[in-house]
Amino acid sequence: DVQLVESGGGLVQPGGSLRLSCAASGFTFRAYSMNWVRQAPGKAPEWVAYMSARLNTITYADSVRGRFTISRDNDRQSLFLQMTSLRVEDTAVYYCARGEGFPDSWGQGTQVTVSS
Amino acid sequence: DIQMTQSPSTLSASIGDRVTITCRASQRVSQWLAWYQQKPGKAPKLLIYKASTLEDGVPSRFSGSGSGTEFTFTITSLQPDDVATYYCQQYNIFRTFGQGTKVEIK
Repeated sequence: DVQLVESGGGLVQPGGSLRLSCAASGFTFRAYSMNWVRQAPGKAPEWVAYMSARLNTITYADSVRGRFTISRDNDRQSLFLQMTSLRVEDTAVYYCARGEGFPDSWGQGTQVTVSS
Repeated sequence: DIQMTQSPSTLSASIGDRVTITCRASQRVSQWLAWYQQKPGKAPKLLIYKASTLEDGVPSRFSGSGSGTEFTFTITSLQPDDVATYYCQQYNIFRTFGQGTKVEIK
């Protein structure tokens, strides 16, 4: 079975940093594009970042470009999101999601709270 | 950015009713549209992609149609397990979600 398990969330002050991880199993990780999607309380999901399977395409939402960095380690079957200069409005559940345009598998999410 | 607008925001229907949700894109997205179901505290679940293709294992009472800027999602016979929030999402240019439609049982 496909499994995506996020970790690394927590409470951080505005201006701080966090690094999220996503451990993938049950499929050939290197063959799939991967995404980070976030969802603030009571809001619709919002795409954050995308990385193609071949590592040649990376895309960010305007709201995080220049502050967040997506990366992956295919040997470790892991996806990462380095988040810096965090803002209160970055507070959300962050999901790791597999797939090109329409992710077909999602993790359970990790909570990121930015607050003083 | 492409904006996605869903209607209605909330829908209340009886068991067995036909339920329809509309999703409009601010510019043409061809057939590059997906629908997701999300239950409280859970991740979204893919139901439909390419506007009308049912994901494996999804019950046939769910269907989708449309292209360009106008899309429709239908549940032919509402079941108790269908209580959830449903989102459309375009993937023609980057990816954006609609604001969601909450489906409740009357």
